[in-house]
Amino acid sequence: KAGVTQTPRYLIKTRGQQVTLSCSPISGHRSVSWYQQTPGQGLQFLFEYFSETQRNKGNFPGRFSGRQFSNSRSEMNVSTLELGDSALYLCASSLRPPGQDFQETQYFGPGTRLLVL
Amino acid sequence: AQTVTQSQPEMSVQEAETVTLSCTYDTSESDYYLFWYKQPPSRQMILVIRQEAYKQQNATENRFSVNFQKAAKSFSLKISDSQLGDAAMYFCAYRSDRDNYGQNFVFGPGTRLSVLP
Repeated sequence: KAGVTQTPRYLIKTRGQQVTLSCSPISGHRSVSWYQQTPGQGLQFLFEYFSETQRNKGNFPGRFSGRQFSNSRSEMNVSTLELGDSALYLCASSLRPPGQDFQETQYFGPGTRLLVL
Repeated sequence: AQTVTQSQPEMSVQEAETVTLSCTYDTSESDYYLFWYKQPPSRQMILVIRQEAYKQQNATENRFSVNFQKAAKSFSLKISDSQLGDAAMYFCAYRSDRDNYGQNFVFGPGTRLSVLP
């Protein structure tokens, strides 16, 4: 079974631009979560989608948004990029969202490394 | 809010020896899940082991086992017969058993493990 895939793997943008990252979950998985990883802040939760609905959201400004499509693929968008947005963005998928199945486990993709200049 | 602490930023172990990585967490909840993830230089997050808080028995996956002390809120990872491929950053993670707006996974800062030949 194919794992979680993320595109692009690397991205360079300049301040003020916007960017869209894509995540394709494992086949059959309906929950997708996004995380930001930086050396200073570590791993931080951005948001989680299930069945095209945002279920949870972390403490990030409104410049960070996302959506999920009917095929469970998800996109994350960051508008008006800032230097501090440079990070590794990780996507993770699971069968069901937390709380609905105690056996549920998240599987992470390889990440998209975003550099903002 | 839940927090996860890993007090050892870096550790090293001789190949074939055993090493234990520490993790403590803080929560007021009784039902939750704990995870250890491994992040090799490829940057992909790989699930190593999972523990449900309601289970008293410590989880084991081949050479990886945990010492789960619920009362002490401690969740250490033991790696036996260490191999060169075990070298990576190890993250301890907590996840609530219920929808928790604003949080999904909470990760510790990580422990970088080096395996010496």
